[in-house]
Amino acid sequence: GQQLNQSPQSMFIQEGEDVSMNCTSSSIFNTWLWYKQDPGEGPVLLIALYKAGELTSNGRLTAQFGITRKDSFLNISASIPSDVGIYFCAGPQVSNYQLIWGAGTKLIIKP
Amino acid sequence: SQTIHQWPATLVQPVGSPLSLECTVEGTSNPNLYWYRQAAGRGLQLLFYSVGIGQISSEVPQNLSASRPQDRQFILSSKKLLLSDSGFYLCAWARDGEQFFGPGTRLTVL
Repeated sequence: GQQLNQSPQSMFIQEGEDVSMNCTSSSIFNTWLWYKQDPGEGPVLLIALYKAGELTSNGRLTAQFGITRKDSFLNISASIPSDVGIYFCAGPQVSNYQLIWGAGTKLIIKP
Repeated sequence: SQTIHQWPATLVQPVGSPLSLECTVEGTSNPNLYWYRQAAGRGLQLLFYSVGIGQISSEVPQNLSASRPQDRQFILSSKKLLLSDSGFYLCAWARDGEQFFGPGTRLTVL
């Protein structure tokens, strides 16, 4: 079945650094979604990508839909303490109404 | 605008006790609804989804069941909780493939 491989699993960064994470799959996706989950809360949709090659920004966040439709990247520029949390990529499964989820990237900012 | 509610926010239950978690959505009609479970520090595991009243699809055979008695109400239940049922339970609704989550219920089974 379809799977999403998300990396890195976790990141320890200094405040102010740029962050990059990605999701890859052996299957083609027509949509890529990026979510952020703060501790103890539900995930929140950050960016949705619908077209191969698309580059979309949301404030300091930028996400790209890979040209092969098998990968996507999320970048965060000039990280701040409130960026900590778990970032998930997701894509719709072809056969039904479900989303396939990456395992998440946990972002930790060093004091 | 659409909102999604879950309650209770936290719950501590003894092993063998019953469970009922409720999720309601406002501001939309006939949404697809989903129940997920998340273990500490882990990803999202889809438990059930529903495309309409009375229509439930189960993704993982286990100790839980789901029901959708009304268009915008989704209930997660168990007759007898196990220790392994502990976790963070998330309800979500979907629009055009995008899913939107509730605040979650933290369940601890002792």
